[in-house]
Amino acid sequence: GNSVTQMEGPVTLSEEAFLTINCTYTATGYPSLFWYVQYPGEGLQLLLKATKADDKGSNKGFEATYRKETTSFHLEKGSVQVSDSAVYFCALTPRWTGRRALTFGSGTRLQVQP
Amino acid sequence: DADVTQTPRNRITKTGKRIMLECSQTKGHDRMYWYRQDPGLGLRLIYYSFDVKDINKGEISDGYSVSRQAQAKFSLSLESAIPNQTALYFCATSESTGGTDTQYFGPGTRLTVL
Repeated sequence: GNSVTQMEGPVTLSEEAFLTINCTYTATGYPSLFWYVQYPGEGLQLLLKATKADDKGSNKGFEATYRKETTSFHLEKGSVQVSDSAVYFCALTPRWTGRRALTFGSGTRLQVQP
Repeated sequence: DADVTQTPRNRITKTGKRIMLECSQTKGHDRMYWYRQDPGLGLRLIYYSFDVKDINKGEISDGYSVSRQAQAKFSLSLESAIPNQTALYFCATSESTGGTDTQYFGPGTRLTVL
């Protein structure tokens, strides 16, 4: 079956530090990969996505590259801000099948200190 | 106005009670989903519906039922609530484009079963 593994949190960083949140996956075929973000008290929002190998998704200074050879989709940001404090979820959906619901990782909480 | 709304936002109930959580969307999407979120477990799929007449069980459907009253409405019911159904529940919608599904989430319903 499909699964997503994320690094456990919380991750605590100082403002302007470099961020990496690791994500690896197991799936049949070539899934589409996503990062969702959940700010306190809110629902999940799509942060970025990639649909094929070597694609790079990017948004709001965050980036992630679809690495088929290592089955990874690590999230990075060069300089985090306090406003980036949230829970980040890596997820996948299988392609080219009739049923496409998301499989989520367990989430990684990021805390950015001023 | 929000594209995906959930009611109620918070609910406290007692063991054995019947509970209905409602979800409405104005995005015009044909696909709708119910997830539950538990600390450290990410989001898990309860039920999903790809159109009004197509309803499918997810990975944790036991103890839950759903109703797709219209394209825009998808309700989740707990026929006889139990304490381990205490969780944060999210509704989501999607419309498949180009072979991928980007999902849009509601704000969540926090359910406590005493």
